[in-house]
Amino acid sequence: QSALTQSASVSGSPGQSITISCTGTSSDVGGYNYVSWYQQHPGKAPKLMIYDVTKRPSGVSNRFSGSKSDNTASLTISGLQAEDEADYYCSSYSSSSTWVFGGGTKVTVL
Amino acid sequence: QVQLVESGGGLVKPGGSLRLSCAASGFTFSDYYMSWIRQAPGKGLEWVSYISDSISHTNYADSVKGRFTISRDNAKNFLYLQMNSLRAEDTAVYYCARDQGGGSHANWGQGTLVTVSS
Repeated sequence: QSALTQSASVSGSPGQSITISCTGTSSDVGGYNYVSWYQQHPGKAPKLMIYDVTKRPSGVSNRFSGSKSDNTASLTISGLQAEDEADYYCSSYSSSSTWVFGGGTKVTVL
Repeated sequence: QVQLVESGGGLVKPGGSLRLSCAASGFTFSDYYMSWIRQAPGKGLEWVSYISDSISHTNYADSVKGRFTISRDNAKNFLYLQMNSLRAEDTAVYYCARDQGGGSHANWGQGTLVTVSS
């Protein structure tokens, strides 16, 4: 149950697009279409932003989109806004009915 | 609306036990898988355990297997986490979450802090 690999930080100016990557293995990200992404503001509970690689829950802005290629999943935030500044975590179903999270990426809006 | 409220956290000595509870409301509790996820201070998220809607399936992270037990009471709409043989590294905020198809955690509680220290 090794953690997925995420870059520690990503930054962008308002209005720009940024992409956060999440790298796993063929036993998790590459093996299943069950990647999800969570946004967490300081002191708050995480919020589901993307599930099943590309799906957005009701109420989540369409500025957030997900994709996957081989063992790497990505979250793209377009039209970056100040309220998007937060920590973002990816998660994937893994073999043996377990789930694994990434280490988190801190998004800074310049 | 979906509401999840955790309780039962606190300070416990190494080797001690604690039982966390999660009160669920706003949805048909017995229809959903549920999970516990934790976050150590200043660290990332770690999946801990899940339980199926019918209670027939459970699983645990290697880090807690054999020490933690997840359970639920579908009649009372409660999820539980019995934590035994606690270690300093179990110190974290523990969140309960409602799962949806594919295992994504659609709704989260506000969390309860567990501190393991002598």
